[in-house]
Amino acid sequence: QVQLQESGPGLVKPSQTLSLTCTVSGGSISSGGYYWSWIRQHPGKGLEWIGYIYYSGSTYYNPSLKSRVTISIDTSKNQFSVTLSSVTSADTAVYYCARVGSSGSWADYWGQGTLVTVSS
Amino acid sequence: DIQMTQSPSSLSASVGDRVTITCRASQSITTYLNWYQQTPGKAPKLLIYAASSLQSGVPSRFSGSGSGTDFTLTISSLQPEDFATYYCQQSYDIPWTFGQGTKVDVK
Repeated sequence: QVQLQESGPGLVKPSQTLSLTCTVSGGSISSGGYYWSWIRQHPGKGLEWIGYIYYSGSTYYNPSLKSRVTISIDTSKNQFSVTLSSVTSADTAVYYCARVGSSGSWADYWGQGTLVTVSS
Repeated sequence: DIQMTQSPSSLSASVGDRVTITCRASQSITTYLNWYQQTPGKAPKLLIYAASSLQSGVPSRFSGSGSGTDFTLTISSLQPEDFATYYCQQSYDIPWTFGQGTKVDVK
C-alpha cells in the first residue's frame, strides 16, 4: 500500500520561499511510470493543481504559478519536493502531495496534507 | 483553462436517498473526468476515474457517467459515511482544474 507524507514548515514569512517534501513509502518513486503531484486547497475553498513531475524528472506546472514554482524528485530518498517563491498570504493553504497514474490523469493516492500559513 | 462547474453547490439528503451531482466542462473533455470525495480534515479520495470507472475499493453504489461536456456522479443509496464534499476534476488539458465542490449534508 503506497503512502505519502508531507513535511515542511507550517509558517512562512511573506516574500520568502515555501518548501515542502513528500516522502513516499510502500513503493519506489522511480518505478511504475507514475507522476508525482502537488495540489493545494485554500482554507474553506476548492482544490488547485500546482503541478507534477514524472519519475524521469519531466515537470508540468500550472501556468498561474509557473514563474514561482519548482517541483523536484530525489529517487535515492524516495521523495519529491515543491518550492514556491515570493509567497504572499494568498499562498496560505493546505498542501497535498499525491501519486498520479501513468496516464497522467487522476490522483489515486494522497498524503494527509499540511497547512502552510504565510504570515509575518 | 477549462472551467468546471458543479451543480448543485450543496444539497441535503437522507440515508437511503439517490443523489445525483452534475459537472459541466467549458469545452469538450471527452471522458477525461474524475470524481473525488472529501470529508472535513481529510485528503480527497478518488471515487471514479475516466468518467465511469470505479476506483478499486470504492462501493458500487457510486457510479459515474457522461462524456464531452456533461457528467454525472450518482450515489444510488446514500450511506452515513457518504456525507461529504464531492469534486469533479478534468485532466484533458493542463492545468488540471476542479469543480467548486458539492457539499452533501444531512436533511
